[in-house]
Amino acid sequence: GQQLNQSPQSMFIQEGEDVSMNCTSSSIFNTWLWYKQDPGEGPVLLIALYKAGELTSNGRLTAQFGITRKDSFLNISASIPSDVGIYFCAGQSLQGGSEKLVFGKGTKLTVNP
Amino acid sequence: GAGVSQTPSNKVTEKGKYVELRCDPISGHTALYWYRQSLGQGPEFLIYFQGTGAADDSGLPNDRFFAVRPEGSVSTLKIQRTERGDSAVYLCASSLTGGGKQYFGPGTRLTVT
Repeated sequence: GQQLNQSPQSMFIQEGEDVSMNCTSSSIFNTWLWYKQDPGEGPVLLIALYKAGELTSNGRLTAQFGITRKDSFLNISASIPSDVGIYFCAGQSLQGGSEKLVFGKGTKLTVNP
Repeated sequence: GAGVSQTPSNKVTEKGKYVELRCDPISGHTALYWYRQSLGQGPEFLIYFQGTGAADDSGLPNDRFFAVRPEGSVSTLKIQRTERGDSAVYLCASSLTGGGKQYFGPGTRLTVT
């Protein structure tokens, strides 16, 4: 089945630093999404990407849909303590008409004040 | 409320018992999804509904799992003869018409003892 490889698995950074994380797949996706999850909560949608090469921003967050349609990147600029959490990438292939999302295993971000 | 709601927030049950988990999607959203999240993992797709019908149930692990959405709004995930391996957080998501952005609820943490 489809799998997403998300890296790094965890990151420890200082407040104010920029962060980059990425997601790769062996198969093509038509949509990429990035979510953030806090302990005991459901994932919160950050950014959705629909076209290869697309670059989209949401405040300090910027995400890109890879040209090959097999990868995506998320950057966080000038990190703050509330950025702490687990970030998940998710892909949607629409294969067979299915709208299911396939998730990576997450990147756990720790921000030291 | 404006978001997806799930009840109960926590459920502890004994091995072999039957459980029902409920999801109230965002008002007006026609697509509804169930995912299961184990500790340290990303959510895994179970089933999705477009209106009242199950459009894709390929993620249901076995025939002990069943879900319904009789009126195209609220959905119930039903698990028969629970096993300890069913312990996980069960997440529900909804989407306005499908195809992309899925908004998650807080989840139900199921513990099978």
